[in-house]
Amino acid sequence: DQQVKQNSPSLSVQEGRISILNCDYTNSMFDYFLWYKKYPAEGPTFLISISSIKDKNEDGRFTVFLNKSAKHLSLHIVPSQPGDSAVYFCAASGNAGNMLTFGGGTRLMVKP
Amino acid sequence: GAGVSQSPRYKVAKRGQDVALRCDPISGHVSLFWYQQALGQGPEFLTYFQNEAQLDKSGLPSDRFFAERPEGSVSTLKIQRTQQEDSAVYLCASSFGTDSPLHFGNGTRLTVT
Repeated sequence: DQQVKQNSPSLSVQEGRISILNCDYTNSMFDYFLWYKKYPAEGPTFLISISSIKDKNEDGRFTVFLNKSAKHLSLHIVPSQPGDSAVYFCAASGNAGNMLTFGGGTRLMVKP
Repeated sequence: GAGVSQSPRYKVAKRGQDVALRCDPISGHVSLFWYQQALGQGPEFLTYFQNEAQLDKSGLPSDRFFAERPEGSVSTLKIQRTQQEDSAVYLCASSFGTDSPLHFGNGTRLTVT
């Protein structure tokens, strides 16, 4: 039973436009959510996080939105750049920094 | 280097062989995690250490898997009598504690033939 789901395996976006990556979760005990970015042959790199007491967190071109009632979060990248092309993983935890449950990932391709 | 270091990067083992995967966490990081990532999937939790104490090993798929962190720094994940289904990338991650994000190493890709 997947507790964190990323229903879109891939997404293609034009450079300069907005990329929106989605993630759904089922476990209501999750209270801390993170996005990781992964290039081939490298480990995941932390991108941005959000606590359940917030509904939005912004860091430069990256914004994460959390809708607790819908158990849904999304990552917005604007403007998208070719270097953003990677696999993005959504992750959730019942305790910040502790055991993370990951989604299956979404491969983002930003076309020049 | 300042990051999490894993060795070897690649390991090919014949079915039935034992393997040992090493993780050097970031200096000072208390928490250390092992994850298994199958092709095309997200990482899945294996086990968790706080310093030298193994606090959670609920994700280890069988008793062939064993992890240790005897001095609270370097950790080793050992797989005995490897099987083909063990083929995956094994990721190690560390953090200062429960309030900080995990930092991952580049992983060890294990292929069991």
